[in-house]
Amino acid sequence: KQEVTQIPAALSVPEGENLVLNCSFTDSAIYNLQWFRQDPGKGLTSLLLIQSSQREQTSGRLNASLDKSSGRSTLYIAASQPGDSATYLCAPFNQGGKLIFGQGTELSVKP
Amino acid sequence: GAGVSQSPSNKVTEKGKDVELRCDPISGHTALYWYRQSLGQGLEFLIYFQGNSAPDKSGLPSDRFSAERTGGSVSTLTIQRTQQEDSAVYLCASSSDRGRRNTIYFGEGSWLTVV
Repeated sequence: KQEVTQIPAALSVPEGENLVLNCSFTDSAIYNLQWFRQDPGKGLTSLLLIQSSQREQTSGRLNASLDKSSGRSTLYIAASQPGDSATYLCAPFNQGGKLIFGQGTELSVKP
Repeated sequence: GAGVSQSPSNKVTEKGKDVELRCDPISGHTALYWYRQSLGQGLEFLIYFQGNSAPDKSGLPSDRFSAERTGGSVSTLTIQRTQQEDSAVYLCASSSDRGRRNTIYFGEGSWLTVV
């Protein structure tokens, strides 16, 4: 059974800092891994999708890496801004055919 | 529409009543998922539809929960005899290829409160 752990559970940083969110998963038999953000009271917004054959993906100030064999992914946010404040969710897509979610990292970026 | 659309956005119901939650996936998406997120909890898989294949119902928590997808598009999640522990946000998602290669897109959710 796939289990997903995200560390840290919560993070508070001053504006402008670079930061790293960590995700680990127990079953490496995945097709891909997605990172989402969730704002309070809202649904999920997809940030990045990394295929199992890829090592990393970049979108603007976001960079996600994937080490499938060790069951790890990281989301790097450069030059953080208050608008980045949200909960970030990691979700590998299992060969069983579904996304399995971690508990998320709640990020607060202070002006 | 451009995204996954869910209705109602908010629903308050009395314990014991039945509720129906609706999901309109992105046009052309063959895969449709339902997830549940309880307060302070992670997202929990409920059910998955792919084309004309039999749905994967392995995440439904009890036989009070059922879902259907008509015409390969709109889906309805039904909760019978609601209980207070059913209070949660119910999120629908869709994808063009089951999610193996392409992004899975989520709706804004239906917030259910059972009183």
